[in-house]
Amino acid sequence: DPKIIQKPKYLVAVTGSEKILICEQYLGHNAMYWYRQSAKKPLEFMFSYSYQKLMDNQTASSRFQPQSSKKNHLDLQITALKPDDSATYFCASSQDGTGNERLFFGHGTKLSVL
Amino acid sequence: GQQVQQSPASLVLQEGENAELQCNFSSTATQLQWFYQSPGGSLVSLLSNPSGTKHTGRLTSTTVTKERRSSLHISSSQTTDSGTYLCAPSGTNAYKVIFGKGTHLHVLP
Repeated sequence: DPKIIQKPKYLVAVTGSEKILICEQYLGHNAMYWYRQSAKKPLEFMFSYSYQKLMDNQTASSRFQPQSSKKNHLDLQITALKPDDSATYFCASSQDGTGNERLFFGHGTKLSVL
Repeated sequence: GQQVQQSPASLVLQEGENAELQCNFSSTATQLQWFYQSPGGSLVSLLSNPSGTKHTGRLTSTTVTKERRSSLHISSSQTTDSGTYLCAPSGTNAYKVIFGKGTHLHVLP
């Protein structure tokens, strides 16, 4: 059973629209993250949350907004979508984000913006 | 910020051969993880090894913290080992784990 659930698995959107990527983890972790991977590029850190508080943000654009309604949820809202936003978005979690922990990933949401 | 260099960028082996993957990083790390990304894209944590040598199955990782480097040895490679191997050191800013570009491994039958 996957312990980090990302929905949907695939998403097609039109330029200018808004989408929400869902992430739920059932590992009992307190830290959650979003990463992005564009075609043939390395995994890129976007956000980290610990105990539902934003800890680090490496995304320049305010079009990307994480939302944490519960401790085990970290959704990603993307507004005014652009073709360059096309990528696979991975959600991850770790126990507390204190540095010596293992990171676990969901299977990703592949977003295509037309 | 943390910079991660992985080598080789790609590697082709015959099944049964061993693989040696290298990771060098620029800043102090208190944790070092190796991940496998399948051709389909899913990411799996292989092992975490902040220092010393660690074994799991056919994998051996050696991390020399002071020299900011880690290696991953895969013995008796199998076709199912094909994919991308990613190194991810983390340190004082634990909330941001940075990944290398990976080593793309292709094991031929």
